[in-house]
Formats: sequence, structure tokens, C-alpha cells
Amino acid sequence: GENVEQHPSTLSVQEGDSAVIKCTYSDSASNYFPWYKQELGKGPQLIIDIRSNVGEKKDQRIAVTLNKTAKHFSLHITETQPEDSAVYFCAAQSTGTASKLTFGTGTRLQVTL
Amino acid sequence: NAGVTQTPKFQVLKTGQSMTLQCAQDMNHNSMYWYRQDPGMGLRLIYYSASEGTTDKGEVPNGYNVSRLNKREFSLRLESAAPSQTSVYFCAIHSLDRDGYTFGSGTRLTVV
Repeated sequence: GENVEQHPSTLSVQEGDSAVIKCTYSDSASNYFPWYKQELGKGPQLIIDIRSNVGEKKDQRIAVTLNKTAKHFSLHITETQPEDSAVYFCAAQSTGTASKLTFGTGTRLQVTL
Repeated sequence: NAGVTQTPKFQVLKTGQSMTLQCAQDMNHNSMYWYRQDPGMGLRLIYYSASEGTTDKGEVPNGYNVSRLNKREFSLRLESAAPSQTSVYFCAIHSLDRDGYTFGSGTRLTVV
């Protein structure tokens, strides 16, 4: 089955700096890669995603890049703000009708003032 | 987490007790999932249901059973709870005509 590795497990940046979280996946058939943000006491929420036919996608301060050949994808947050502090999960979706997601182990991002 | 309701939000069980975690959706999605979240291990799939009346095992199904009696509801049952099942449980839904999962707000379960 699919295996997703995520690094780093914790990340501390100063407000205004950029943050980068990296993930690798094992199944070359995976074709959908979402990123989720989880705030304390809440369920994960989708913040951005990318499909395998696209190399980069941006949404305001957030961007995701995908390298299919190397089987890795990254989340980039620019101009970080305190409200960006949360746990971020990457995931990869296997093909098939059930659309199962395999998640990375999470990155705790702390944005300090 | 509009659209996915999980009950209860918190539960403490004694080892060997049984309980059912409930998940209900109002978004008419076909697929429903149960994940558990443990520190340092991310979200791991327990069981899923691609459509009403069907269920399949995920990555960590041992000690759990599920039931998808109708399109709205997908329950997770612990027949004999063990301390290793202490975790936060999330229900999620998905539709083939849109990307991404929608998660419930979770059930925090402690087995003592």
C-alpha cells in the first residue's frame, strides 16, 4: 500500500518568515495530494491540494509543489502569521472508487512573534 | 466541520467495556471513513465504506467493527475496549465529484 513520509515533525518560524513542509510518497499510481490544517481540538481541514498533472498550485500565501518523478511534494507558506500555527498533514490518494487517503505523520508549525 | 457530526465528543471506558461511536453526515456523500489519530503517527485508516451497505478494512482494523446501515450514518464499534485503543477518532466523508475529505470534530476516547 501507499506510504507517506513527512518532515519535519516540528517547525518554528518567526512571524513573516516562510515555512516549508516536505512529503514523499511510495505509490507511483497516487494522483491526488491534499494538505490539511488541524487546529487544537478540531478535525483536519483541507487548505490546498494538487493533482498529478500539475506541478505547482498557489492560493494567496500558500503554495504546493509536486515532483512526480521524485515522488515528493511540498507545502510552502509565505509571510507566516500567528494564526498559521497548527498541525499540518500531507496525504496521498490511491486510485479506485473508495478514494482512500494515506496521511503523513504531521508537522507542528509554531509561528512566533 | 459542518456536514459531519460525531458523537460523543469525549468518552472514558474501562478495559473490556464496549461502545459505539456515531457518525452522521448531511452532505449526501457516498464514501465514509473512520480514522484514529495518535501522537507522532498521524491519521490511520481503520475502516471505510465506499457506498451504503459496503464496508472494507483499512490499515488498523483489529479490535473494531463498523456498520453502514444507510447513506447518512457510519458507526464504529469497540466490542471489548483495550488501553491501546485510547485515541482521537475522526469520521470523514468524500464524494467523487469533489476533492478532499470533510472531517468531523472527533471523539476523544480514553480506555483505562
